[in-house]
Amino acid sequence: AQSVAQPEDQVNVAEGNPLTVKCTYSVSGNPYLFWYVQYPNRGLQFLLKYITGDNLVKGSYGFEAEFNKSQTSFHLKKPSALVSDSALYFCAVRPRISGSARQLTFGSGTQLTVLP
Amino acid sequence: GAGVSQSPSNKVTEKGKDVELRCDPISGHTALYWYRQSLGQGLEFLIYFQGNSAPDKSGLPSDRFSAERTGGSVSTLTIQRTQQEDSAVYLCASSSPGTQYFGPGTRLTVL
Repeated sequence: AQSVAQPEDQVNVAEGNPLTVKCTYSVSGNPYLFWYVQYPNRGLQFLLKYITGDNLVKGSYGFEAEFNKSQTSFHLKKPSALVSDSALYFCAVRPRISGSARQLTFGSGTQLTVLP
Repeated sequence: GAGVSQSPSNKVTEKGKDVELRCDPISGHTALYWYRQSLGQGLEFLIYFQGNSAPDKSGLPSDRFSAERTGGSVSTLTIQRTQQEDSAVYLCASSSPGTQYFGPGTRLTVL
């Protein structure tokens, strides 16, 4: 069975400082990895994904994530946080194996608060 | 272009009533997913449609839940005899294939 762990329910960071939202996963093979963001009373918005190639993936709004196979991690990062980045962030995985389920398995979410 | 749309945005119903939730996927997307987001359970997969193949219903929590996708486009999630534990935000996503794009969700409250 596959699983995703987001060990921090809440991350607080000052505006202008770098931010990291952590994600580790457990799934057979090399999965597809995703980050989504959810603003209050809104659906999930796609940020970025890792498929193959460069371990550093760049996405929307200046976010990036680093795939680390040995640590089975896919941490979300941004060099300089904005107050408007405050939201709920979800990490998700999908197996790469042919014939496997295509639905996403999500982490429990991390609430990011950027303080002015 | 237009994203995934869902209706209604909010639904309040009484315990025991049936409800229907609608999803309009992005035009041309062959895959459609339903998920449920609740405080206690996080984001859970419910059901998946891919083209004309039989749907993957492995995530449906009980036989009170069903879904259909007509003409390979619009989908309806039906919950019969609603219970209070069905209260959640129901999210629809579509893809073609690859990245799943989500709608704004339907917030269901069962009184």
